[in-house]
Amino acid sequence: DAKTTQPNSMESNEEEPVHLPCNHSTISGTDYIHWYRQLPSQGPEYVIHGLTSNVNNRMASLAIAEDRKSSTLILHRATLRDAAVYYCILRDPMEYGNKLVFGAGTILRVKS
Amino acid sequence: DSGVTQTPKHLITATGQRVTLRCSPRSGDLSVYWYQQSLDQGLQFLIQYYNGEERAKGNILERFSAQQFPDLHSELNLSSLELGDSALYFCASSDGPGQGGNQPQHFGDGTRLSIL
Repeated sequence: DAKTTQPNSMESNEEEPVHLPCNHSTISGTDYIHWYRQLPSQGPEYVIHGLTSNVNNRMASLAIAEDRKSSTLILHRATLRDAAVYYCILRDPMEYGNKLVFGAGTILRVKS
Repeated sequence: DSGVTQTPKHLITATGQRVTLRCSPRSGDLSVYWYQQSLDQGLQFLIQYYNGEERAKGNILERFSAQQFPDLHSELNLSSLELGDSALYFCASSDGPGQGGNQPQHFGDGTRLSIL
């Protein structure tokens, strides 16, 4: 499984944008980049995924570097509810099955 | 609400016992996944079933087994329980088998298992 590296923790102010980085220098040309988050006392929650182009959905935006060796999850206006552990995960489309390999993730703290 | 239902929410039992955790996937989802989250190991993939068949296996102990029934619900059986099996067990589901790399998984809120 290709590896991802994320900062252990980040802090943000409420209602400000948050940029969560992820490095994946060994990504293959076909790996998808997925982001999940886990709020306290809940199961992980799918946030967004992408392959090459930047992606937007109602929760967040995903900016993917041109060489695909890094990506950034963007929360446009952080709220207290966004305080969670954020996981950046690579998915190999050739792999049989669909397991997610979770690292330690980034703990996001949001200050009011 | 992810649409994935796990029961029970909490389970307390003793070493050596056997328990069964149950998961109902989102309506229409054919794949079910099981994950274990402990303080020292983090979130670890255990096993995936797709439409009743085992699809992928992680580091699942031999004391653990799972199955997916014709109505697509799944059960995770844990036997000869040890103190180290205390953890959160999450079930997730997706609509397809996961081939292609771009299928999100939707997680339940987990079963907290405590071994005394």
